[in-house]
Amino acid sequence: DQQVKQNSPSLSVQEGRISILNCDYTNSMFDYFLWYKKYPAEGPTFLISISSIKDKNEDGRFTVFLNKSAKHLSLHIVPSQPGDSAVYFCAARNQAGTALIFGKGTTLSVSS
Amino acid sequence: DTEVTQTPKHLVMGMTNKKSLKCEQHMGHRAMYWYKQKAKKPPELMFVYSYEKLSINESVPSRFSPECPNSSLLNLHLHALQPEDSALYLCASSQVGELQYFGAGTRLSVL
Repeated sequence: DQQVKQNSPSLSVQEGRISILNCDYTNSMFDYFLWYKKYPAEGPTFLISISSIKDKNEDGRFTVFLNKSAKHLSLHIVPSQPGDSAVYFCAARNQAGTALIFGKGTTLSVSS
Repeated sequence: DTEVTQTPKHLVMGMTNKKSLKCEQHMGHRAMYWYKQKAKKPPELMFVYSYEKLSINESVPSRFSPECPNSSLLNLHLHALQPEDSALYLCASSQVGELQYFGAGTRLSVL
């Protein structure tokens, strides 16, 4: 059973518009969430994270929102740029803090 | 320096071969990880080393044998693999319980 779910395999957005990527989780004991970005033939690179004690974290064009009651987080990219086209993975840190549990990823395509 | 270096980038091996994947980091991280990623799937954790000791083995078949010779190096020894083991193998490192940094991976093909 998947503990971290990204239900949209792909998303297409025009340059300059907002991209919203969604992630749901099932384990209420997860205390830290991360978004990684992955280009083909490269390893995942860290993008932004949020602790369960917060509901928002912002870094430049990237903002992550956490709704603990709904067990839902989202990544907002504003404005979207063609270079943002990649696979985005949502991940939750397990309770022991020893490993990450990844969602299946969402492929974002930003067209100019 | 936030680099995790994995070698080789690509590896093709037969089912009777023995090969090793290597991973190196010089960030002073004391936790290192092996993940396996199949096409269109998320990375799946295989092993975790914490302070050079194996702390997690996610029920990985014994044909995969990890080794952590020191705090900077992590190996994955491969023997008698199956074609279904073909995947991208990712190494990551972190301070224990902290943000993980990933290498670019080794693309493994088993013939």
